[in-house]
Amino acid sequence: QSVLTQPPSVSGAPGQRVTISCTGSSSDIGAGYDVHWYQQLPGTAPKLLIYGNGNRPSGVPDRFSGSKSGTSASLAITGLQAEDEADYYCQSYDSSLSGSVVFGGGTKLTVL
Amino acid sequence: QVQLQESGPGLVKPSETLSLTCTVSGGSISSYYWSWIRQPPGKGLEWIAYIHYSGSTNYNPSLTSRVTLSVDTSKSQFSLRLRSVTAADTAVYYCARQHCIGGSCYWSFDLWGRGTLVTVSS
Repeated sequence: QSVLTQPPSVSGAPGQRVTISCTGSSSDIGAGYDVHWYQQLPGTAPKLLIYGNGNRPSGVPDRFSGSKSGTSASLAITGLQAEDEADYYCQSYDSSLSGSVVFGGGTKLTVL
Repeated sequence: QVQLQESGPGLVKPSETLSLTCTVSGGSISSYYWSWIRQPPGKGLEWIAYIHYSGSTNYNPSLTSRVTLSVDTSKSQFSLRLRSVTAADTAVYYCARQHCIGGSCYWSFDLWGRGTLVTVSS
């Protein structure tokens, strides 16, 4: 069972906007630790999509955005494209576990 | 361009020790934290541990009794040893680099190896 909670799946039609939530607790997201997001295409390693709650690494389209509030965070994808179909993971840090990196369980995005 | 490459046996017997090495090429192993992360088939990501180039480590509490990380800066390599493995340790194992940009470092991972599948089976 993952420390951070994500919906197992979300879907949307091309061009639409979808959001993926990530819920934590007072010892991780709520403690002020940053949230990061990864995109994992089938058969490949995860790719850093958003870091520090809302920053995009070079090369990541501005269709992807992240936000954080309280003990939760969200990833938003606008102008949905077929190539966005992938698994998405949130990640943070937990101070209650002797300092431990924690991941969400992942969300499968289906582009209809 | 910095690259990471995992290496090690793809098959380990139950109760034995899983050993993997990550080689850093095209860049320095210094000034970063380096992690091992695994993903069981069809499941999510699990952080195992990280090591600093200086040798300091931190382990996932759920695995700390069975895990040891080490680093060899002369070879630009860091290694994972996981003892007393069971079928539950079957996974793709990734090595990854802590993300640092503009003088700031985050507890995120910007560079990943391609991953290596380790199967625990007799």
